[in-house]
Order: sequence, then C-alpha cells, then structure tokens
Amino acid sequence: AQSVAQPEDQVNVAEGNPLTVKCTYSVSGNPYLFWYVQYPNRGLQFLLKYITGDNLVKGSYGFEAEFNKSQTSFHLKKPSALVSDSALYFCAVAWAAGNKLTFGGGTRVLVKP
Amino acid sequence: KAGVTQTPRYLIKTRGQQVTLSCSPISGHRSVSWYQQTPGQGLQFLFEYFSETQRNKGNFPGRFSGRQFSNSRSEMNVSTLELGDSALYLCASSLDRQGGYNEQFFGPGTRLTVL
Repeated sequence: AQSVAQPEDQVNVAEGNPLTVKCTYSVSGNPYLFWYVQYPNRGLQFLLKYITGDNLVKGSYGFEAEFNKSQTSFHLKKPSALVSDSALYFCAVAWAAGNKLTFGGGTRVLVKP
Repeated sequence: KAGVTQTPRYLIKTRGQQVTLSCSPISGHRSVSWYQQTPGQGLQFLFEYFSETQRNKGNFPGRFSGRQFSNSRSEMNVSTLELGDSALYLCASSLDRQGGYNEQFFGPGTRLTVL
C-alpha cells in the first residue's frame, strides 16, 4: 500500500538558518509528490510538486525539494528560514490518475528569532 | 479568481444528528475531493467527485457520503454523528486536465465539533 512518512514531529530552527523537513514514501510505480503548508485555522496551501523531470523542484516562498528515487525521499528545504515559516508542513503522494492524496503525519516547524 | 470556499466554517452538533457541509470549487475546476483532518489520524482522504460521479473513495464508513452538482459544487453528509467525527473537513478542487496530474487547491475547512 502507498504510504508517506514524515519522521520528525517538530523541527526547530533559528531564523536565517537552513530549514529541512524530511519526507519518505513507499513506492509502487512512479509517484507524484507534493508539499503543502498549513497555518493555524487555515486550509492547506500548495508549495511545490514533483511529477517528472529535474529532481530539484522550486516552489513558493523560497522553498525547494529534492526528489531522490534511490532513497525514496522528497525532503523540503529552504536556505534561510523566516519566523513566518513557522507552520505545519505536509508531504503528500499520489499515484496515477485521480486526485487521491495520501498525506504524511505532518511536521511542525518552529522558527525562532 | 476566487479560491475554494467552504460553508459553514464552524459547526457544533450532538451525537446522533446528521450534518451537511458544502464546498464551492475554483471556477472551472471539475474535480472536488474531501479530506478529514484529526489530531490522531492526520489527514485522510474521504472521496473525490468528478462530473457528478464519485471517482475515488477512501476507507470511511457508509455514514459518510457526498455528491456533486452540475456546477461542480459539492456537499458531504455525515449521518448518525459520533464523537470521533469531530474534525476539520477540508475540500480541495483541481482542474483535472488531460495527460497530467493536477495539483489540488484547498479551502479553509469546516470545523465540526460533535458533543
């Protein structure tokens, strides 16, 4: 069965430092991979996606993610974190056609000034 | 372009009642999906509708149902509410273009509290 894992419940980082949020997935075929962010009392906002092509994907708000097929990972990165990046981040995967997303458990990011 | 809208934003019900939640997708989007978000189970897929037909279904009991109208607006219904149904219910819409995966755009959610 398809699954997504976010091994860290929370990531703490100082403002200005690099931010990494980890995501791994179990594979059956070629997955479509996504990152979403959720702020308090809000829905999910789309950050970026990997469908095919270049393994390094650039997204909104300065975020990027690297698809690593051999390690079945899709880690989210930002070179210099901002306090406003503090939020809940979700990795998600879809297989083939249709719009069913399977989400990881989420990682809470806390950026301290 | 207006985003995905969900009504109501907050709802309080008691056990045994039923509830209907509404979702209006982004104009031109034909696919609408529903997700349940709880602290314990995280984000779980409920179902997806496309052209008024259920195209995908998650692992939820039959108490959870939905439908889509000809204008792509969707409703989900939960009957015989249980305490465990307390959650944030998120709706997402997508274009559903041919030949590629289409990212989903989420609404703000409806927070349902069952007492």
